[in-house]
Amino acid sequence: QKEVEQDPGPLSVPEGAIVSLNCTYSNSAFQYFMWYRQYSRKGPELLMYTYSSGNKEDGRFTAQVDKSSKYISLFIRDSQPSDSATYLCAMRGDSNYQLIWGAGTKLIIKP
Amino acid sequence: EAQVTQNPRYLITVTGKKLTVTCSQNMNHEYMSWYRQDPGLGLRQIYYSMNVEVTDKGDVPEGYKVSRKEKRNFPLILESPSPNQTSLYFCASRPGEATKQYFGPGTRLTVT
Repeated sequence: QKEVEQDPGPLSVPEGAIVSLNCTYSNSAFQYFMWYRQYSRKGPELLMYTYSSGNKEDGRFTAQVDKSSKYISLFIRDSQPSDSATYLCAMRGDSNYQLIWGAGTKLIIKP
Repeated sequence: EAQVTQNPRYLITVTGKKLTVTCSQNMNHEYMSWYRQDPGLGLRQIYYSMNVEVTDKGDVPEGYKVSRKEKRNFPLILESPSPNQTSLYFCASRPGEATKQYFGPGTRLTVT
């Protein structure tokens, strides 16, 4: 079993829909939870990160961490075609700076 | 402009022919790493470097070598490439313990 599980998709939704992307993990030592966005033929870029549990909001994006369930989510409101990309979750502990990555979910927003 | 550059962007080579993929960053970052990305497997770390002359193996180091003689450069060396090393390779850097990594544009390698 992988340390971080992420459904590869593709996830196809109409423009304007609310999108929910998720990762589950097994290592309770993880404290930093990140979401990277990767456009086709580009390197990943950090979208948001959260420390420990709770929510973090940035414009149309909300990152949510539930440590009790070992489950993290990224919500995208009012989704746009420009949000079409692969979204990768990544996480690490406090003392171990190596990132553990999910496989990435390919998201397609249909106009 | 702050960036991570990789060269070449695309490379087709034959089994056993040594090759080097260069990586350079202009942000004075201590930490650099190499990843390969394969469908369904996500990003897997090959090697990383915490600073000059300090390198360590990641999750999939077999068949690869690296060196860090200067802070800005972190080349990836394939001494004897094999077809199972056909992949998309990314170099990344970050300042020390920071969470944000900066990725290069990727190098698509095909070994026939």
